[in-house]
Amino acid sequence: GAVVSQHPSWVICKSGTSVKIECRSLDFQATTMFWYRQFPKQSLMLMATSNEGSKATYEQGVEKDKFLINHASLTLSTLTVTSAHPEDSSFYICSVPGLAGAREQFFGPGTRLTVL
Amino acid sequence: KNQVEQSPQSLIILEGKNCTLQCNYTVSPFSNLRWYKQDTGRGPVSLTIMTFSENTKSNGRYTATLDADTKQSSLHITASQLSDSASYICVVSLSYNTDKLIFGTGTRLQVFP
Repeated sequence: GAVVSQHPSWVICKSGTSVKIECRSLDFQATTMFWYRQFPKQSLMLMATSNEGSKATYEQGVEKDKFLINHASLTLSTLTVTSAHPEDSSFYICSVPGLAGAREQFFGPGTRLTVL
Repeated sequence: KNQVEQSPQSLIILEGKNCTLQCNYTVSPFSNLRWYKQDTGRGPVSLTIMTFSENTKSNGRYTATLDADTKQSSLHITASQLSDSASYICVVSLSYNTDKLIFGTGTRLQVFP
């Protein structure tokens, strides 16, 4: 299966700053990547679908101007949390779908964001 | 409304014992059901994937069952180990978009020596 990495694994920032999270598919070219958010003791919630070479598709209720997604290459997608606030503190996870028909989705290790 | 419900919310067992986790779903149209293991502070890792035609699938000490008629699934863990302590998440995907995943809230399993 695909190996997915995220960087950083955790980050602490002050309120009002912007934070960039990277998601890399290390052994698999991905035209699509997914970004999820997970609050404590809750399930993963899809935020957006990152599309290589085109605009991301955001889920209802997710502010596209606050959560900027860039998918500049087949192996890298970035999520930038702009003007972060304490309520943005969460666990952010990306995933890469497997080969067409494989029905698999491979998740990264996650990034813990804490906004003070 | 597409939903996936899991029970129990949490479970404590002793090392070496077996346990069974439950998943009920109301997702339609159904494509497949997956069980993931998520260690604390880590991303989910796939354990099993089953389509509607598959009744059971095993992965080592993990055995998943699926009853597509009653829309229920279970994950049985045999001879539990300390490393099994994690959250187990039941996930269902839609047939018109298999990348669209409906997540359960998970069962938090703790295995004690």
